[in-house]
Amino acid sequence: DTGVSQNPRHKITKRGQNVTFRCDPISEHNRLYWYRQTLGQGPEFLTYFQNEAQLEKSRLLSDRFSAERPKGSFSTLEIQRTEQGDSAMYLCASSPGSIAGRSVRETQYFGPGTRLLVL
Amino acid sequence: KQEVTQIPAALSVPEGENLVLNCSFTDSAIYNLQWFRQDPGKGLTSLLLIQSSQREQTSGRLNASLDKSSGRSTLYIAASQPGDSATYLCAVLYGNNRLAFGKGNQVVVIP
Repeated sequence: DTGVSQNPRHKITKRGQNVTFRCDPISEHNRLYWYRQTLGQGPEFLTYFQNEAQLEKSRLLSDRFSAERPKGSFSTLEIQRTEQGDSAMYLCASSPGSIAGRSVRETQYFGPGTRLLVL
Repeated sequence: KQEVTQIPAALSVPEGENLVLNCSFTDSAIYNLQWFRQDPGKGLTSLLLIQSSQREQTSGRLNASLDKSSGRSTLYIAASQPGDSATYLCAVLYGNNRLAFGKGNQVVVIP
């Protein structure tokens, strides 16, 4: 168990460019979450997957944002036409989702985050 | 609206003193409450998780209590050390599987 990993750890881009972040959850975790954290604030929920299905999306997730989890393992978060207001830490988390076939709500394990700076 | 508030926003204590961090939440229909630690520029480390049916959890020098009916949780850190300097985040899990976070308590322990 190597924990949740995220790549890249840091990204600097110019306004208007597209960026893509990757998250690898803890193996066999069914649920995967994306959060965004701006300076001095707590993380805010963006979206969550149960296996490959995207089940919840926050209103924060504008149409410039898209997230995928094609095979139910790793996930990508893409931001198109980045704006300076997108500058933030993007955090990924995973959780088991079910134990012995029963849905459970439990600890979410967070990755180190990807820090995005849009110039 | 599911709001989480943490007071105080920042505090400094001399080494050896006990720390008391407060968290309040508006919607008491929670599944669990977690306390996280975050170091500057880093991700979140889970410290304690309290299920909605529990009143407290303990891990080493850390103790967290939960009063679901009044919408409050308190994190106690005994005999603080400089290595405890960090931001502590309270997060509440609701039925929609979203964690709702407070803004954090920024703690500095002075040697």
